Amino acid sequence: KNQVEQSPQSLIILEGKNCTLQCNYTVSPFSNLRWYKQDTGRGPVSLTIMTFSENTKSNGRYTATLDADTKQSSLHITASQLSDSASYICVVNPIGTGYSTLTFGKGTMLLVSP
Amino acid sequence: DTEVTQTPKHLVMGMTNKKSLKCEQHMGHRAMYWYKQKAKKPPELMFVYSYEKLSINESVPSRFSPECPNSSLLNLHLHALQPEDSALYLCASSQVTARGSYNSPLHFGNGTRLTVT
Repeated sequence: KNQVEQSPQSLIILEGKNCTLQCNYTVSPFSNLRWYKQDTGRGPVSLTIMTFSENTKSNGRYTATLDADTKQSSLHITASQLSDSASYICVVNPIGTGYSTLTFGKGTMLLVSP
Repeated sequence: DTEVTQTPKHLVMGMTNKKSLKCEQHMGHRAMYWYKQKAKKPPELMFVYSYEKLSINESVPSRFSPECPNSSLLNLHLHALQPEDSALYLCASSQVTARGSYNSPLHFGNGTRLTVT
């Protein structure tokens, strides 16, 4: 069964600090890997999307990396802000599917404290 | 603000009620989706529409009935729901590329928080 595992489950950091979230997946082969940010009570918002041939993708203070050999991805957040407090979800799109039938991780809940 | 609009934001309904959730997008996306999300869980796919035709039904009970009247609108009709159906219902849309939606990000709405009493 295709799985996406994220760690840590939750994380508390001080405002201004950096952090890295991890995603391990068994989905293979896959078309692309995505990181979403979901604020409480709101829908997920796409941060980055990487194909299997890409190693890194940045979006402002968010940088995602992908190692297709080890089937690992990470999301690095620099100079964290209070508004970064949210759930960060790693999502893998299996290849061979005609539409976005995605495999979601359970997310990492990040709390940025002042 | 999200480009996918869902209404209502909150809905409380009894088990004998009939209600509908609505979703609208004007990004020209031809794939639209319904997801169900329970607290502290990832979203679970329910339905996928492509070019206004139902493409995927993830074995969803018939008390949930989707409808796609045109390329911008997606509805979810609810009837005789159970308390365990209480959840956040998310609508999403994406482009459909020549190879399906492989590299097209999903754009989610902010969801409808449904409570079944």
